[in-house]
Amino acid sequence: DSGVTQTPKHLITATGQRVTLRCSPRSGDLSVYWYQQSLDQGLQFLIQYYNGEERAKGNILERFSAQQFPDLHSELNLSSLELGDSALYFCASSVSGGGNTEAFFGQGTRLTVV
Amino acid sequence: QQQVKQSPQSLIVQKGGISIINCAYENTAFDYFPWYQQFPGKGPALLIAIRPDVSEKKEGRFTISFNKSAKQFSLHIMDSQPGDSATYFCATRGSQGNLIFGKGTKLSVKP
Repeated sequence: DSGVTQTPKHLITATGQRVTLRCSPRSGDLSVYWYQQSLDQGLQFLIQYYNGEERAKGNILERFSAQQFPDLHSELNLSSLELGDSALYFCASSVSGGGNTEAFFGQGTRLTVV
Repeated sequence: QQQVKQSPQSLIVQKGGISIINCAYENTAFDYFPWYQQFPGKGPALLIAIRPDVSEKKEGRFTISFNKSAKQFSLHIMDSQPGDSATYFCATRGSQGNLIFGKGTKLSVKP
């Protein structure tokens, strides 16, 4: 158990809908990262938050947004969903936002858009 | 733009054999090179990591070899076991602090 909690584990929704994925980082970790994993694209970095502030942005679509709350949990919002958004979404956390600190991953949320 | 190239895409090894996975990176500013292991239905988990000031790091049956001049690093799994069957990802930590992953290698160790 990495200590990173993601909910829900599975989500099935229709095209055009909006969903929210939730992540609780390990106790003491200030940084949260979101990754999308699909078969053909591997693990793609979406966005990073550090202590409530956006730190880095990767290949995140404009339809997607995220935030980190004062209690350090994070939410990833996906809207106007398309079939191609079906993927595993992982959250990871680390103590700091860089350096050689280890990133711990949650179990992921499997999103299926039908 | 892929900044970490990983090969092979898949690998089949007999039990007791050596598994070798290679990665090449582009940006010399990268300063942290971890390998992650992922089992089906689970999130990636850190296996072993190396910094560019050393050429090799060994932890049990797992060894990272690092060649700074060639901008390559590799994972060697000695005495491979069926329980090692998983997908392995190399990664680097970019300037923004996020991990940049290779596309993964699916390892199957046959008994």
